[in-house]
Amino acid sequence: AQSVTQLDSQVPVFEEAPVELRCNYSSSVSVYLFWYVQYPNQGLQLLLKYLSGSTLVESINGFEAEFNKSQTSFHLRKPSVHISDTAEYFCAVDSGNTPLVFGKGTRLSVIA
Amino acid sequence: DGGITQSPKYLFRKEGQNVTLSCEQNLNHDAMYWYRQDPGQGLRLIYYSQIVNDFQKGDIAEGYSVSREKKESFPLTVTSAQKNPTAFYLCASSTGTSGETQYFGPGTRLLVL
Repeated sequence: AQSVTQLDSQVPVFEEAPVELRCNYSSSVSVYLFWYVQYPNQGLQLLLKYLSGSTLVESINGFEAEFNKSQTSFHLRKPSVHISDTAEYFCAVDSGNTPLVFGKGTRLSVIA
Repeated sequence: DGGITQSPKYLFRKEGQNVTLSCEQNLNHDAMYWYRQDPGQGLRLIYYSQIVNDFQKGDIAEGYSVSREKKESFPLTVTSAQKNPTAFYLCASSTGTSGETQYFGPGTRLLVL
């Protein structure tokens, strides 16, 4: 069965510092990959996704993620975080024939 | 505005009681989903529906039931068989089930009295 591992449950980081949230998945078939963000007491919102083509995908608010097939990873990065980036981030994998599978989430806390 | 609405925002359940959570979308999406979120557990799929009048069990369907009589509506009933129902419940929809973005509602928090 498909599985997603988010290696860090919590990541504290100072404002304007870089951050990387790690995501690994288990699949031997082609996959679609997603990062969603959840602000407190709200639903999830799509941050970015990889379907095909360029392995580097970007969001409108400065996040980027790179699909690495050999390492089965899709790590999320931002070169300089803001207080407003404080949220929980979920990695998700779609193998095409089963529903989306989510990781357990990484709580990003940006410290002023 | 197009989107997904969930009601109520908070719901209290007494022992032995069934409760129903509402989910409505006006995005004209074919697929709809129910997830349960517990702290540190991520999102776990309860049920999903790819088309009207059809639905499939997810990973944790026991103690829950759904219906999909209309394209825009996918209510979830938490039955008395669900012994630990306290959680945050999220509904989502998408145009299809493969490679499509899921759009989420604001969630319903269910608490047991």
